[in-house]
Amino acid sequence: ILNVEQSPQSLHVQEGDSTNFTCSFPSSNFYALHWYRWETAKSPEALFVMTLNGDEKKKGRISATLNTKEGYSYLYIKGSQPEDSATYLCALPGAGTASKLTFGTGTRLQVTL
Amino acid sequence: GAVVSQHPSRVICKSGTSVKIECRSLDFQATTMFWYRQFPKKSLMLMATSNEGSKATYEQGVEKDKFLINHASLTLSTLTVTSAHPEDSSFYICSARRGGGRSYEQYFGPGTRLTVT
Repeated sequence: ILNVEQSPQSLHVQEGDSTNFTCSFPSSNFYALHWYRWETAKSPEALFVMTLNGDEKKKGRISATLNTKEGYSYLYIKGSQPEDSATYLCALPGAGTASKLTFGTGTRLQVTL
Repeated sequence: GAVVSQHPSRVICKSGTSVKIECRSLDFQATTMFWYRQFPKKSLMLMATSNEGSKATYEQGVEKDKFLINHASLTLSTLTVTSAHPEDSSFYICSARRGGGRSYEQYFGPGTRLTVT
């Protein structure tokens, strides 16, 4: 069983603050890492798929980095806005072509005015 | 693009009845669909993997006779919770994948909240 951990469990920041959170995973047999944003009452939305050590991806104010050798990925949000409030999930596929994703428990971000 | 719908969004049923949940990929053909369950304050737990035209592959501990999955077309998969009991009350969510391979994104439906009374 793949062990995917996210920290912190929840985070409360003020509008305009920058923040980051972590996804940790076993560094052996790494293939890919997926980041999702899940707003309440909506479908989880794919943010990034990262595959290479040292990968950096960016989408607007959100960016992510990947270190496969030490087994972690960081998600950064610059200048947080209330609309960034959501649960951020990371997930990794296991072995084999079925590509079953194992999810972390998520980081719940609350951005207030 | 890549929209997945799920119906119903909420359902309340009596103990002993069966409930069917539909998952549709609206603008693409999904080679594979996945069904997840979320327990309170827990992460998404994969229940089964569904490939069009073949039997679903269930995760360890998931009763295949309890949670019937049918993937009749490339755009529709259904999950039927048979003889539902209160402990089946949960949030069920499906996802669909457009292609093969572990770096392909999965597109999620909005989920179904099942309450069994």
